[in-house]
Amino acid sequence: GAGVSQSPSNKVTEKGKDVELRCDPISGHTALYWYRQRLGQGLEFLIYFQGNSAPDKSGLPSDRFSAERTGESVSTLTIQRTQQEDSAVYLCASSPWTAGGVNEQFFGPGTRLTVL
Amino acid sequence: SQQGEEDPQALSIQEGENATMNCSYKTSINNLQWYRQNSGRGLVHLILIRSNEREKHSGRLRVTLDTSKKSSSLLITASRAADTASYFCATPPDSWGKLQFGAGTQVVVTP
Repeated sequence: GAGVSQSPSNKVTEKGKDVELRCDPISGHTALYWYRQRLGQGLEFLIYFQGNSAPDKSGLPSDRFSAERTGESVSTLTIQRTQQEDSAVYLCASSPWTAGGVNEQFFGPGTRLTVL
Repeated sequence: SQQGEEDPQALSIQEGENATMNCSYKTSINNLQWYRQNSGRGLVHLILIRSNEREKHSGRLRVTLDTSKKSSSLLITASRAADTASYFCATPPDSWGKLQFGAGTQVVVTP
């Protein structure tokens, strides 16, 4: 596609339920990132994929959070047993990987998650 | 933890005026990036400046970088109502490419 897409755009769920968020990166981009943005704040890094591997999961806040990527393309972020503090906008970004971390990231529109 | 801290937190100006915002960071970097976010959703990359560069221009944007002070500034000249957005600086803390963002500067440009 022309850009990074994410689905759903909005998700309202009840506390304790599991949710899956999807990201379709730009075709050919080997690097994929997930970030979380709470209201009025900056972005928090969650996890980074290079191809289908995740060399950096340091930002995942708890073991309730997991992510996978398949076919060096689509990625899903799963949050199990959601809590109210999980409410945020979840943003995905992709980039063509370059050495040394010098890369522009292309962001999707985000998924707004609300946990009641 | 946040690597970059933007200043001011909010800025209100009239169309045609210039807007300047600053970013300070803590650790050594090989580049610093500025992004714009409209309506709390997706971010748009504005400009990337490498650590060996001191100034960079892109249209009405001018970015400076002072590695000795660990600071950067973003100047938007002749602002327009469409420039109303939140602006974030971001730096990569390692070579993997993930970015650390500040809390952002919210800019409002009134006609």
